Amino acid sequence: AQSVAQPEDQVNVAEGNPLTVKCTYSVSGNPYLFWYVQYPNRGLQFLLKYITGDNLVKGSYGFEAEFNKSQTSFHLKKPSALVSDSALYFCAVRDPGGYQKVTFGIGTKLQVIP
Amino acid sequence: SQTIHQWPATLVQPVGSPLSLECTVEGTSNPNLYWYRQAAGRGLQLLFYSVGIGQISSEVPQNLSASRPQDRQFILSSKKLLLSDSGFYLCASTFVGESQETQYFGPGTRLLVL
Repeated sequence: AQSVAQPEDQVNVAEGNPLTVKCTYSVSGNPYLFWYVQYPNRGLQFLLKYITGDNLVKGSYGFEAEFNKSQTSFHLKKPSALVSDSALYFCAVRDPGGYQKVTFGIGTKLQVIP
Repeated sequence: SQTIHQWPATLVQPVGSPLSLECTVEGTSNPNLYWYRQAAGRGLQLLFYSVGIGQISSEVPQNLSASRPQDRQFILSSKKLLLSDSGFYLCASTFVGESQETQYFGPGTRLLVL
């Protein structure tokens, strides 16, 4: 069975500092990995995904994520945080060998402090 | 353009009353459709998914059911609501022309059962 872990319930970072939101996964075979962001009372917005190719994936709003197969991680990063980045971030994984099911992590709340 | 609509946006219902939430998708055909529930503003629980008209797979046996009467319409129903059905319900879709592994989300319906 596939699973995702987001070990940090909340991440606080000062505006202008780099940010990292952690994600580790477990899946049989090569994973499809995703990051989504959710603002209050809104649906999830797709940020980026890793399917194959370069381990560093660039996405929307200046975010990027690095796929590390040996550590089974897919951490979300941004070089310089903005107050408007404050939101709930979800990591998700899908086993490409399975059917269309995607498993989401429980989410990490990012708070960017002015 | 590809858009996911959900209605109503907010719903307050008494315990024991029926429920019908609707999701429609524009700008694509034959999408994979999903219903998720988000409780307490955090993790997503996959409830149902559908790969075609009349094809419904249930992930969690509970008080809810789903139907797909048309290609781009996905309905979540209940005959008698429970207090525990309260939550934020999200519809998701894949889009033809993009990689089928990526799910995009609608704006959500917030349900409060009293």
